[in-house]
Amino acid sequence: GAVVSQHPSRVICKSGTSVKIECRSLDFQATTMFWYRQFPKQSLMLMATSNEGSKATYEQGVEKDKFLINHASLTLSTLTVTSAHPEDSSFYICSTLGLNEKLFFGSGTQLSVL
Amino acid sequence: GESVGLHLPTLSVQEGDNSIINCAYSNSASDYFIWYKQESGKGPQFIIDIRSNMDKRQGQRVTVLLNKTVKHLSLQIAATQPGDSAVYFCAENSSGTYKYIFGTGTRLKVLA
Repeated sequence: GAVVSQHPSRVICKSGTSVKIECRSLDFQATTMFWYRQFPKQSLMLMATSNEGSKATYEQGVEKDKFLINHASLTLSTLTVTSAHPEDSSFYICSTLGLNEKLFFGSGTQLSVL
Repeated sequence: GESVGLHLPTLSVQEGDNSIINCAYSNSASDYFIWYKQESGKGPQFIIDIRSNMDKRQGQRVTVLLNKTVKHLSLQIAATQPGDSAVYFCAENSSGTYKYIFGTGTRLKVLA
């Protein structure tokens, strides 16, 4: 299956700062990557679909100016949480589609905004 | 009262027993399903998948059953081990959409 590397695994930041999360597809050229958010004891909610070389597609209710997605190469997608606030604290997970439509996930990033 | 989503359903199973985790999926057009295991603080791991042209698929110690009539999916784990303790999610997908919808999840606790 596809190997997805996500970094950092944990970040603590002050309110108002921006945080960048990186997601790399290590053994697979990923034209499409997905970004999910997960609150404690809840399921994964799709935030946006990241397309290599074009604009990301955001799900309803997700602010595109708040969550900036860049997918400049076939192996790297980044999610930047701009002007983070405590309510943005969450577990963010990226994923990529491997062969035969299987979805493979990164290890996740726990964001805590103070 | 409690808010929906703050508490995952929990299944407690004695070590060595079989576990059955259930999932009701939402879209009758979904034709591909995956079970994921998520340990605390980690991303979900692929366990087993099944397409809608099948009603049963077996892996190592795991079996997935699909009942399209009632839109129900189950994951059976044989001889449950402490390492199986995690949250399990089902995910559904319709061909060509590449969008997966995840179920609410079930926490499996294996008792020694």
